[in-house]
Formats: sequence, structure tokens, C-alpha cells
Amino acid sequence: NAGVTQTPKFQVLKTGQSMTLQCAQDMNHEYMSWYRQDPGMGLRLIHYSVGAGITDQGEVPNGYNVSRSTTEDFPLRLLSAAPSQTSVYFCASSYSWFRQGARRLYGYTFGSGTRLTVV
Amino acid sequence: KQEVTQIPAALSVPEGENLVLNCSFTDSAIYNLQWFRQDPGKGLTSLLLIQSSQREQTSGRLNASLDKSSGRSTLYIAASQPGDSATYLCAVFGTSGSRLTFGEGTQLTVNP
Repeated sequence: NAGVTQTPKFQVLKTGQSMTLQCAQDMNHEYMSWYRQDPGMGLRLIHYSVGAGITDQGEVPNGYNVSRSTTEDFPLRLLSAAPSQTSVYFCASSYSWFRQGARRLYGYTFGSGTRLTVV
Repeated sequence: KQEVTQIPAALSVPEGENLVLNCSFTDSAIYNLQWFRQDPGKGLTSLLLIQSSQREQTSGRLNASLDKSSGRSTLYIAASQPGDSATYLCAVFGTSGSRLTFGEGTQLTVNP
């Protein structure tokens, strides 16, 4: 089925460990993004990418790294996990194009999420 | 900085009732606004997308309106059903920056 696939669904880390959350989409979307969702704070953008080889920071990028070597994949790396990074992480992708000098998005599709606990 | 607010934070209604969820945003320079549904432990599912040039969109029992000048959108759900129970989020895509800004959502419970 076409869509956004996230792995793993659940993960427990110890403080200081590193790991990579995987995200893959098969819709040939140029735009991909990572959000975290926390109670009382809603969804906050961590990093996003407008195409292979291009990434940029969102609202809360500290402690996370991303790269985009292919159109399909957009992994999120936690460099040294901290309890403050306990959250539910969502990957999303979208069609993207430029019009009148600005980027437009259409067809936002979310993955099912990764629930991460850092102890 | 764009801020999106959703009122109420939680709503409980009996089955069959018509209801309205509200979303307001601070910066009216938007390209589109989307309403999403999130079931517990699941990802987000897009319900309706309204372009900035549109006033409303309809899908089945759902109708979303947009008043860009006042920074408001409403999601109207007709004849609510227990299966409508979920959290509903609105998100705006602004003219500056390549991102969606989300509200915190309204948690809806429809009681049989």
C-alpha cells in the first residue's frame, strides 16, 4: 500500500544512547518532514527536506540530525538521547512545488508514528 | 510567528448531535488550511483541505469553512456518530516558510 512507513513503532533507549528512526515513502513526494507530538504542546516540526540532498531545521531541531540521500527515505537520528526526547515521532511527506516565488504543499500524508521512551 | 488555537480542547456529545469545532490562526497570510483526524495511538489522517481562495469544503458529513481575513476556520460535523470519536487538528500552511503549523487539537467523544 502506498504511504509513509515508519520503523520502529516502539523504542526504549537509555540516556546517552543514539539511534535512527526510519521513514520511507513510495509516493515520489519531494517534501518530507519530522514532527514530535507531546501532551499540551501539539505537533512541533523538527526538521524537513524539500528534496534529495536538501534539509532544513524546524522549530525544535536540537539533538536531532537528518539527511536525505534519496527521494524515498528521510531518517531521523538522535545523537545522544535525553529524557526530554521522550515523545511520539511522526514522519510526513507531501507533494511540493514552487509558485510565485514560494513553496506550496499538497497531499500531506503521515506515518503511524514511533513512540520513543528515554530512561 | 504563526500560532494556531483550537477551541474547545475537549467536547463530549450524544450521538446524532450536530457540532462545530473551531480553529483560529494569528497570521492570515496562508496558502491553505487542513483538518486532520487522529485516533488514539495512530497517525494523522487528512480530512479536508481548503485553499486560501476557497470559503469551504465538504466531504460527506463534514464541512469546513475558512475566513482568512478574520483568521478563523470551523469544522462542522453533522449527525455525529460514536465512530467520529477522535482528536481533530487543524493546521495552516503559511506563505513564509515551508511548514505546517498545528493547533493542539479538540478531543471529541460521541456517546452512544
